[in-house]
Amino acid sequence: KAGVTQTPRYLIKTRGQQVTLSCSPISGHRSVSWYQQTPGQGLQFLFEYFSETQRNKGNFPGRFSGRQFSNSRSEMNVSTLELGDSALYLCASRLLPSQGTQYFGPGTRLLVL
Amino acid sequence: GIQVEQSPPDLILQEGANSTLRCNFSDSVNNLQWFHQNPWGQLINLFYIPSGTKQNGRLSATTVATERYSLLYISSSQTTDSGVYFCAVERAAGNKLTFGGGTRVLVKP
Repeated sequence: KAGVTQTPRYLIKTRGQQVTLSCSPISGHRSVSWYQQTPGQGLQFLFEYFSETQRNKGNFPGRFSGRQFSNSRSEMNVSTLELGDSALYLCASRLLPSQGTQYFGPGTRLLVL
Repeated sequence: GIQVEQSPPDLILQEGANSTLRCNFSDSVNNLQWFHQNPWGQLINLFYIPSGTKQNGRLSATTVATERYSLLYISSSQTTDSGVYFCAVERAAGNKLTFGGGTRVLVKP
């Protein structure tokens, strides 16, 4: 079974731009979560989606948003990029929310200049 | 929210040595996972272990849920074991993993 895939793997943007990251979960997994990793803050939860609905959201500004499609694929969007948004963005999937192992994708490394 | 503390923050080992990594958490959890982050950033699942003991090759883990800690054991360490090890926990119906700060392991040949 294929693992979680994320595209693109690397991205360079400038301040003020917006970016969209994509995540395809493991086949059959319906819950998708997003995390941000930075050297200063570590790994932090962004949001979780299940059945096209956001079930939980972390402590991030409204510039960070996401959505999930009917095939469970998910996208996250960051608008008006700031230098501090430079990070590794990780997507994880599992069968159902709050149950079982979360499996992580390889991540998207975003650099904001 | 729940607090997760990992110790030690850094660990330097000679190849072949054994080691123990610790994860303390501040509240009851229904999910605890150990990960190894490779140099490219991917989090590799090691164990899903909300309670009890599991073994996978040279790695094993024990979670004592009533005392709110988990241990990851690395035996006969190899240079490929180098990297950052994370513990992450989830409360019931929490819908999110809360990560510890990680233990950075360097295994020298």
